[in-house]
Amino acid sequence: AQSVTQLGSHVSVSEGALVLLRCNYSSSVPPYLFWYVQYPNQGLQLLLKYTTGATLVKGINGFEAEFKKSETSFHLTKPSAHMSDAAEYFCAVSEGLRRRALTFGSGTRLQVQP
Amino acid sequence: GAVVSQHPSRVICKSGTSVKIECRSLDFQATTMFWYRQFPKQSLMLMATSNEGSKATYEQGVEKDKFLINHASLTLSTLTVTSAHPEDSSFYICSARDVYGTTKNTGELFFGEGSRLTVL
Repeated sequence: AQSVTQLGSHVSVSEGALVLLRCNYSSSVPPYLFWYVQYPNQGLQLLLKYTTGATLVKGINGFEAEFKKSETSFHLTKPSAHMSDAAEYFCAVSEGLRRRALTFGSGTRLQVQP
Repeated sequence: GAVVSQHPSRVICKSGTSVKIECRSLDFQATTMFWYRQFPKQSLMLMATSNEGSKATYEQGVEKDKFLINHASLTLSTLTVTSAHPEDSSFYICSARDVYGTTKNTGELFFGEGSRLTVL
């Protein structure tokens, strides 16, 4: 079975500050890991994903995440927060099976203060 | 990239009526679609897996007679909330996997825009 834990349901940063959203996973096989962003009353948009290869993954809007197998983590970072980054962020894990859905974490709401 | 369209985006209905939500894959074939439900300020909870040409697979605790799923073609899945009640009010999101594309083995899902159902 797979699971995802996101530490911190709310994170608040100042504009221009570092963004760090934490995600730890559990999977019985090598996982595929995703970060999605959700704006109010909208669906989910893929920020970035780790499948295989380089463990530091770059995504859209300046976000990146590093897969650390030894720590079972996939934390999301951005060097400098922008007001437009305020949204809900979800970490998700997949075991790659075609007919299996993604398992999502509980989500982290990012607030960006001016 | 793969695009999933969901309709309607918002619907308000009276208690006891039925509401249908459509989920379409616009530029790829989706043999499998997933329906999620999201309560305010909470995560996405998987309701059911919709399989083209066969019965949907429901998660534990989801009433199959309340939430009817039909996946009659490779590009369309529908969710019908039957005899809706206020407790069914929620944000429903569909997603699909492009099983023939480059993401077919990674588990990546493409999401619709979501449908907010309000039952009065």
